[in-house]
Amino acid sequence: DVVMTQTPLSLSVTPGQPASISCKSSQSLLHSDGKTYLYWYLQKPGQSPQLLIYEVSNRFSGVPDRFSGSGSGTDFTLKISRVEAEDVGVYYCMQGLHLPYTFGQGTKLEIK
Amino acid sequence: EVQLVESGGGSVQPGESLRLSCAASGFTFSSYWMHWVRQAPGKGLVWVSRIGGDGSSTNYADSVKGRFTISRDNAKNTMYLQMSSLRAEDTAVYYCARGQRGVLGWFDPWGQGTLVTVSS
Repeated sequence: DVVMTQTPLSLSVTPGQPASISCKSSQSLLHSDGKTYLYWYLQKPGQSPQLLIYEVSNRFSGVPDRFSGSGSGTDFTLKISRVEAEDVGVYYCMQGLHLPYTFGQGTKLEIK
Repeated sequence: EVQLVESGGGSVQPGESLRLSCAASGFTFSSYWMHWVRQAPGKGLVWVSRIGGDGSSTNYADSVKGRFTISRDNAKNTMYLQMSSLRAEDTAVYYCARGQRGVLGWFDPWGQGTLVTVSS
């Protein structure tokens, strides 16, 4: 199975400050179609996961532009330019190329 | 509005069976891959199974292969997860999620989840 390793596992951020989460995969997520099948989800407290970023760097519909994704191959990053109170929750990266699909351990973001 | 609603969760003893349902609305159900993902209490997300739009293609995580069966009834816009020989480690919230029209792609939306508890 492809192992997805997220760091850090927890973040405490002052509102208005940036935050960054790293995700490394044990295998390349680049498909022969040229797309890289790496996604970012946010699970807010008591809610189901919601899609933030697809194919490394594409913001999903309705996702604020303070969220951005980058990376390639096996090394990816989610950045929040200015954290807001509504951003609290657990962030997961997920690879959608190799079966079984696998998620990172999750990064818990809290507000200072 | 695209919506997924899970049902069928509950409390069972080890070795028993349970069938989960995922009712879909707001989109052409038969055109999309569908997935089950579970989350043990206080733990992370684990992909369980997927099924193609016409139901002919299915895949499972090794941990459930041979015990769980995914299926769908496109006439009823509903996906199922038949779980048998349940174990304590199957205790989790089970989410259904819509994939994409093609086999690869993101999951959106997710249902609200249904809790399965396996305990003696």
